[in-house]
Amino acid sequence: NAGVTQTPKFRVLKTGQSMTLLCAQDMNHEYMYWYRQDPGMGLRLIHYSVGEGTTAKGEVPDGYNVSRLKKQNFLLGLESAAPSQTSVYFCASHGGKNIQYFGAGTRLSVL
Amino acid sequence: RKEVEQDPGPFNVPEGATVAFNCTYSNSASQSFFWYRQDCRKEPKLLMSVYSSGNEDGRFTAQLNRASQYISLLIRDSKLSDSATYLCVVNIYNFNKFYFGSGTKLNVKP
Repeated sequence: NAGVTQTPKFRVLKTGQSMTLLCAQDMNHEYMYWYRQDPGMGLRLIHYSVGEGTTAKGEVPDGYNVSRLKKQNFLLGLESAAPSQTSVYFCASHGGKNIQYFGAGTRLSVL
Repeated sequence: RKEVEQDPGPFNVPEGATVAFNCTYSNSASQSFFWYRQDCRKEPKLLMSVYSSGNEDGRFTAQLNRASQYISLLIRDSKLSDSATYLCVVNIYNFNKFYFGSGTKLNVKP
């Protein structure tokens, strides 16, 4: 039972570099979310998607882009990484009962 | 103003103690409520949903007070394995968004 899989698990970037985080779910869920978690601040919503081909901004979308070309995948892109984007990134999905299932997270450091 | 507020703790309690956490939310349109558990450096996992009439799951009891806009979690007979951070989460259907509190840290000591 894979559930929600995030890749990579760890990454170190230099300021200005770009990268893409991949989230894949095998539960046929319509809704997918990208969050970041910083110490003392809880999880904050970056972007989300209510279905294939749709995306919407969350609380902290600046500096990030997303795409949902396939129902099972939700990609988060950083075009020009900044030290302020050092964080733990979690992907989540849910299928309508509002219970979210999370991936194991991606720890990103931007130097 | 934060959508969801929690006391960050930590709550340090001995094994066998009863401990309660509260959480307040600001948006009266909030419709679904949850408690998630997060272990150190792990992803959040659902502990329990919170229903209007209150609900219990073993040693855990959740209550919702819509008039005062707060949610509570009661843990009875604490175990060492209950040590974690407990996240309060609310959902507003119309926006398909979930709002997380910053979490309350619980340390259960022998």
